Amino acid sequence: EADIYQTPRYLVIGTGKKITLECSQTMGHDKMYWYQQDPGMELHLIHYSYGVNSTEKGDLSSESTVSRIRTEHFPLTLESARPSHTSQYLCASRRYWNTEAFFGQGTRLTVV
Amino acid sequence: DQQVKQNSPSLSVQEGRISILNCDYTNSMFDYFLWYKKYPAEGPTFLISISSIKDKNEDGRFTVFLNKSAKHLSLHIVPSQPGDSAVYFCAASAGGATNKLIFGTGTLLAVQP
Repeated sequence: EADIYQTPRYLVIGTGKKITLECSQTMGHDKMYWYQQDPGMELHLIHYSYGVNSTEKGDLSSESTVSRIRTEHFPLTLESARPSHTSQYLCASRRYWNTEAFFGQGTRLTVV
Repeated sequence: DQQVKQNSPSLSVQEGRISILNCDYTNSMFDYFLWYKKYPAEGPTFLISISSIKDKNEDGRFTVFLNKSAKHLSLHIVPSQPGDSAVYFCAASAGGATNKLIFGTGTLLAVQP
């Protein structure tokens, strides 16, 4: 069973607010990922990390930022939420490049 | 630039028959491939994977085939069950400096009772 957790599961927030989506895993994985998915659409990689203090932007440009101060924690922050940020955000982790990634339950974000 | 493509947005099969989901990739550096199943409002769950040194991997009802020369992989589900109805994503990654895990566009599978 995957030990990766995302909070909150659902979030409705007003335009202009700052938000942080939490992602934590207890498997000791170095590699962590954030994906954005609109309904019925593909998973777009927006951020990833090789380990502590390493973060990279993914293939889809995103106004969000991430940090990796601890191995187990990979939060995503939006400084000023906009309706265009409405989407599902999925966090994943894996041990090596050639092993499976485990996903959290996701956060459904709605910006009104 | 879509590096991993699933050209069939949807597929409908009868219960008990075979489901074949296809995936194409363009980056020849990819050498590890995975299939995931996803329900709405949930995270994807891992099904099966294959390394580029193999051309086939089986796990129960699920078999993945890899054709490196064609840059193509497929997932076979036999026999298909109504509970298999979900969106299926293929994904690819490469070793070396990059540790990206890139997903395809997804195929919605509907298994009719």
